[in-house]
Formats: sequence, structure tokens, C-alpha cells
Amino acid sequence: KQEVTQIPAALSVPEGENLVLNCSFTDSAIYNLQWFRQDPGKGLTSLLLIQSSQREQTSGRLNASLDKSSGRSTLYIAASQPGDSATYLCAVRGRDDKIIFGKGTRLHILP
Amino acid sequence: DTGVSQNPRHKITKRGQNVTFRCDPISEHNRLYWYRQTLGQGPEFLTYFQNEAQLEKSRLLSDRFSAERPKGSFSTLEIQRTEQGDSAMYLCASSVPGWYNEQFFGPGTRLTVL
Repeated sequence: KQEVTQIPAALSVPEGENLVLNCSFTDSAIYNLQWFRQDPGKGLTSLLLIQSSQREQTSGRLNASLDKSSGRSTLYIAASQPGDSATYLCAVRGRDDKIIFGKGTRLHILP
Repeated sequence: DTGVSQNPRHKITKRGQNVTFRCDPISEHNRLYWYRQTLGQGPEFLTYFQNEAQLEKSRLLSDRFSAERPKGSFSTLEIQRTEQGDSAMYLCASSVPGWYNEQFFGPGTRLTVL
């Protein structure tokens, strides 16, 4: 059974710092891995999707990497801003077409 | 707006009442998924449809829950005899089949059972 773990559960950093969020998964037989952002009480915003054949994806200040063999992904956020404060969710899509989510990392950027 | 839409966005009900949520997928997306997210947790899969056929149901979906997609377009999720433990965000997503195709999520319906 696929399990997705995100570390740390919460993180506070001063504005302007670069930071890394970690995600690990137990079953490497995945189709893709996706990072989402969720603001309090809101739905999911897709940030980056990495197909199983890819190693990384970039969008603006965000870079996500995927090491499928080791079951790990990282989300790198450069030059953090207060507007980046949110919960970041990692999710893997298995060959049964279901998405399994981690519990998220609550990120707080200190002005 | 051509994204996934969900209604209502918020629902407050008393324990024991029935509630129904609606999801309108992106047009031409023949797969539709329901997820539930409780406080502090990631979303969890509930069920999904391909066209009007319900292909899989999670064990999380008790017999008080029923989902339909009668014409292969919009879907409804009904909860009968609501319990306080049903309080959660209910998320809908849609996609076209294919491993490379992304699931697009709606804004969710937040249910509060008093």
C-alpha cells in the first residue's frame, strides 16, 4: 500500500530565504508526482507535476525534483515571500489511477 | 471559467440531516474523482467514475455515502444521516484517461456537521 510522508510537518523561515520541502513514498511504481499548494480553508492549487520519466520540473521560483528509485521528491522554493505561506501537499499517482497525498507541510514565511 | 466547479462551497448542517454536493467537471473529461480531506490531513480517495460508471469505491465510503454520475457529466455526492465525523472538505477532480493526464481539482465543498 502506497504511503506518502512529508517532512517537516511545519516550517517557519524568514522572508528571502531559500527552502526545501521533502516528500517520500514507499512504492516506486508511480505514474507521476505532483506538488500542490493549499491556503487555509481553500481547495488545491497545482504547482508542479513530474512524470515518472522526468527528473525535475521548474516554474518560476519553484523547482521540484523526483528520484523514483529512492522514493523521494523535493520542492525547492527560492527567495521565499510572505505570500508563499500555505500548506504544501505532495501527491503520487499510482497505476491504479488514484492519487495518494501526504499530510502536507505548513509553511510560514516571516516578514 | 472552464475549470472544475463544486457547489455549494460551504454547507452547515445538523447531525442526522442529509446533504448533497455537486461537482461539474471540465467538459470532455470522462473521469471524475471524489476525495475527502479532514483537518490536518491530506485528501483521501473516496470514489471515481469513468463516464457514468462508478469504477471504484474506497472503504472510507460507508453505506451512508452514495455518489452518482447519471449522464456522465456532473456528479453528486450524498451523505445520509450525517455525523460530526463527516465534517471535512470534499474535493472533486476530473481528467481524461491516460497515465500522463493530470487530475484537475475543484475548489471543494466544506461541510460542517453540528
